[in-house]
Formats: sequence, structure tokens, C-alpha cells
Amino acid sequence: AQKITQTQPGMFVQEKEAVTLDCTYDTSDPSYGLFWYKQPSSGEMIFLIYQGSYDQQNATEGRYSLNFQKARKSANLVISASQLGDSAMYFCAMREFQGGGADGLTFGKGTHLIIQP
Amino acid sequence: DVKVTQSSRYLVKRTGEKVFLECVQDMDHENMFWYRQDPGLGLRLIYFSYDVKMKEKGDIPEGYSVSREKKERFSLILESASTNQTSMYLCASSIRSGTSGFYEQYFGPGTRLTVT
Repeated sequence: AQKITQTQPGMFVQEKEAVTLDCTYDTSDPSYGLFWYKQPSSGEMIFLIYQGSYDQQNATEGRYSLNFQKARKSANLVISASQLGDSAMYFCAMREFQGGGADGLTFGKGTHLIIQP
Repeated sequence: DVKVTQSSRYLVKRTGEKVFLECVQDMDHENMFWYRQDPGLGLRLIYFSYDVKMKEKGDIPEGYSVSREKKERFSLILESASTNQTSMYLCASSIRSGTSGFYEQYFGPGTRLTVT
């Protein structure tokens, strides 16, 4: 079974609209962390936001927020007031505490977001 | 700023060649990682290292080996390159996780390897 599921392979959104990118995860570990990364066409992976499983509040970083619904095992990324520069691949990833070792991340397959003017 | 560099952006090798991909980070991070990225599959972990000379297999280690002789440098080795190893290879580093939570990984620019 996939540990990270991103159900939207591609999305088209009008500039200035809000965007929600879906991510559901599967783990039995009570301690885990969820990450979102952005990958523009240039290829570099850019860290956006992090949510810990024990965090009481949803994470926010500027225009990015994470809609964390623990019971549903979902961690959707919300981008407010989208901009043309937000066009990129977006990856959701998870680290489980019981994974041991050196914190390798499990990634979803990504969502290709295109912002239209 | 954290900086992770990779030795090449693009590399073309022939089947059967031994290939070295080098990664260097300048933030004294304990952890280093190698991922490969393929369209429709996302990123998959090949190997990681949590200290000098220490290494652990990731999800897809077959056909690869790694070396970490110095803290800042982590090498991925393809002993005998094959066409199914044509891919984008991404190196990353991070602080080792502690009781306060998990830390983000910082990625290099990637090496696009083509094996012909």
C-alpha cells in the first residue's frame, strides 16, 4: 500500500485564486512528520512547510498553510493568492519515527500545478 | 544558506561503465541521502548515511553502492551502469532528528544521468 497518496496528477488554477493540493498518508506510527516540497522546472527541490504529528496547530509559512486532519490522515497544502511563479511540481512526504536510521523521507508521486494568467 | 552541490548536472554513460555521482554539503549535517526521481513515481530513497562510514539501504538499493569517507561528502556508485538506471539523481542532507521533531532535508540541484 502506498504510504503517501497524491490524487491530483495535474491541476490548472487561475492566478490569484487559492489552491488546495491533496495528500493522504498511511502510518501506524504515532510519531511522524509531514513535509511539502516544491520542484520548479529548473529541478531543485524547495522545502515549503512541515507538520509534526503532535503539533496542535496547523503549520503556516507565508502564503502556505497545511490543513492537517489527523483522524482522516490528510495533510493538504493550501496556497493562498496563487502566483505565476507557483507553477511547479509539488510533493508531499512523510518521515516516521519508527523508520529508524537517518530520517529518509517517503514521497508521494507529486502534483503538477499550473497557474494560468 | 545551506548548500548542497552535486558534481554534474548532466551525465551520459555507456552500459557497463562504473559511474560515480558526488555530493557535498557545507552545513555539517549528520544525515545525507541519495534519491532517484522518475516521472510518475516521485522520489525514491536509494541509500542514506547518518555518519561517516555509516550507511543504510533505502527502498531501492539494488545496483547501487555508496561511500561516505568524510562528513561533508556522500558518493553514489553505479558499479555497472544499466539503461534502467537512466534517471534524475538527487542528493540531500539534514540535521539528525531529535526529540523536538524532524528536520527538513536540503536538496542539491540533481544529476540527470543517461545510460546508453
